Parts: sequence; C-alpha cells; structure tokens
Amino acid sequence: DGGITQSPKYLFRKEGQNVTLSCEQNLNHDAMYWYRQDPGQGLRLIYYSQIVNDFQKGDIAEGYSVSREKKESFPLTVTSAQKNPTAFYLCASARGRGVDTQYFGPGTRLTVL
Amino acid sequence: AQSVTQPDIHITVSEGASLELRCNYSYGATPYLFWYVQSPGQGLQLLLKYFSGDTLVQGIKGFEAEFKRSQSSFNLRKPSVHWSDAAEYFCAVARGATGTASKLTFGTGTRLQVTL
Repeated sequence: DGGITQSPKYLFRKEGQNVTLSCEQNLNHDAMYWYRQDPGQGLRLIYYSQIVNDFQKGDIAEGYSVSREKKESFPLTVTSAQKNPTAFYLCASARGRGVDTQYFGPGTRLTVL
Repeated sequence: AQSVTQPDIHITVSEGASLELRCNYSYGATPYLFWYVQSPGQGLQLLLKYFSGDTLVQGIKGFEAEFKRSQSSFNLRKPSVHWSDAAEYFCAVARGATGTASKLTFGTGTRLQVTL
C-alpha cells in the first residue's frame, strides 16, 4: 500500500532534550511538509522540501531542523530551543511543484515533560 | 497575507439532518481550496478540492462544497449526516509562486458532533 508513515505515534521526552520524528513516504512524491497542530489553532507549517537536499522554512521554523537526504524521508528534529514543543506533528507529501493535493501521515504526538 | 476563517468552532447536528460548515478565505489570486477531515488522534483525509471549473464540487463520503468568489466562501455541505461523520473539519487555501511547491494555509477547524 502506498502512503505516509510516521513513527512513533506517541513520544515522550524530558525538557532540554532534542528529539527526532520520522516521516517516510512511498508515493514517489517530490514535496514533503511538516506541520504542527495545537488545539484551536489549526495546522501551522514548520518546514517544507521541494526536492532532495533542499528545504525551506515555513511559518514557525524556530526551534526545529530538518534534513532531506532521500526522496522518501523527511525527518524533523525538535531541538531544546523550541520553547513549547508539546504538540501533535503531522507530515505530508505532494507530487511536486505547483498546486497539488497534500496527503497526510497519521501524526506523532510529542509530550515534553 | 492569505487567511482562512472557519467561524464555527463547534457544531452539533442530529443524525439524518443536513449540515453546512462555513469557510471564508482571503487570497489575492485565484484560490485553490481544500476541505480535510480529521478523526481524533489521526491524520487528515482529503474530502474534496476546488482548482477551477464547476463551482460545485463533489467529494468523498457524500460531501460537496460550493465555491462562491463574490462571497470569498467555500462552504461544505452534506444532505444527511451519519454518526460516523463526527470529526474535525479543516478548510485550507493553497499559496505559492508558480514553479514552487504550494503551501497550505488552514483554518482553525470546526468540530462536528452528531447526536443520535
């Protein structure tokens, strides 16, 4: 089955630790995205990548970092600089450039204790 | 700047009743509009999208939406709601320059509760 996988589904970390969230897709999509979801705020774009080895900041990139070494993978690192990291994180992908439908993974809920 | 407004935070309808969820957008160029649905703790599923052409678009699960440029609206409708439709619904508008990956601006969502 083609789709987007995110792991783990639940993640707990202590304050001050970096943590990396996984996102993998087998849809052969060029573009990948990371969103953060908080109650009552909808989804906000953290980073996106149009192609391997290229990525751009979204609206709320501070405290996050990404890499895109492979077409199918777009991991997100939540660093200790992120002031309020507890949230639901969603990864998405789309075929490529221009307006296109984004398809979403199941999400990872990160709780920082 | 682009924005999407979903004025209803929470809506409750009875099973079998009709449903309309409101969405208003602000975008200078031709809008590309989407409706997604999210069950608790899950990812988002695309219900329907409008890129061009017929302003009444059909989606999955019996949903439809109508694009009204004069009102900057893209309201979602369903003639008869089922209990399984209880979820959160998000309207979004695509933004981005030609030749670049598009980005979505989301509304804050409307939570639908269905009573039996």
